[in-house]
Amino acid sequence: GENVEQHPSTLSVQEGDSAVIKCTYSDSASNYFPWYKQELGKRPQLIIDIRSNVGEKKDQRIAVTLNKTAKHFSLHITETQPEDSAVYFCAASFYNQGGKLIFGQGTELSVKP
Amino acid sequence: DGGITQSPKYLFRKEGQNVTLSCEQNLNHDAMYWYRQDPGQGLRLIYYSQIVNDFQKGDIAEGYSVSREKKESFPLTVTSAQKNPTAFYLCATATGSIGETQYFGPGTRLLVL
Repeated sequence: GENVEQHPSTLSVQEGDSAVIKCTYSDSASNYFPWYKQELGKRPQLIIDIRSNVGEKKDQRIAVTLNKTAKHFSLHITETQPEDSAVYFCAASFYNQGGKLIFGQGTELSVKP
Repeated sequence: DGGITQSPKYLFRKEGQNVTLSCEQNLNHDAMYWYRQDPGQGLRLIYYSQIVNDFQKGDIAEGYSVSREKKESFPLTVTSAQKNPTAFYLCATATGSIGETQYFGPGTRLLVL
């Protein structure tokens, strides 16, 4: 069935290091892959997204890569800062179901000063 | 995100009681969604609506009901049949086209007395 798997569930890095979060999806027809950041008690906020017609997208310290053949995509955060600490969710849209998003389980990122 | 409001921020439910969570948007978005988030977990889709007077069940619809009488409003009722309703409930909207970004409201935290 429809599924998005996200790894790791927790990630701890030192300030200034890079962080990588990986997701795999089950539906080869998926064509939209957003990433959300959620701080404690707050709403998820979109930080970057990618569509199936591109392989990589970058926005300052954040980048996302997509491998459609392998059905996986990754979030890369460089030069991490303590304010990057949050839970990050990946998602994939399922074309045959009106584009609804299926979310990964989340990664709790902790950036230690 | 500022165009999506949810109320109340906190809601307490007694045993056997139905409660209704409000979601209003002024973004002129066609699609609206309800998600449930349990502590330390991802977002699970309860119901979604792509157009007024139409809605579909998500992955965990049992014990919940919705209506979509107006484009701006998509209230969620948590019925007494939902035996474990304690969670953070998030409403989201999107333009309605397949593969478009979803924007989240601030959420309602439901607790059982």
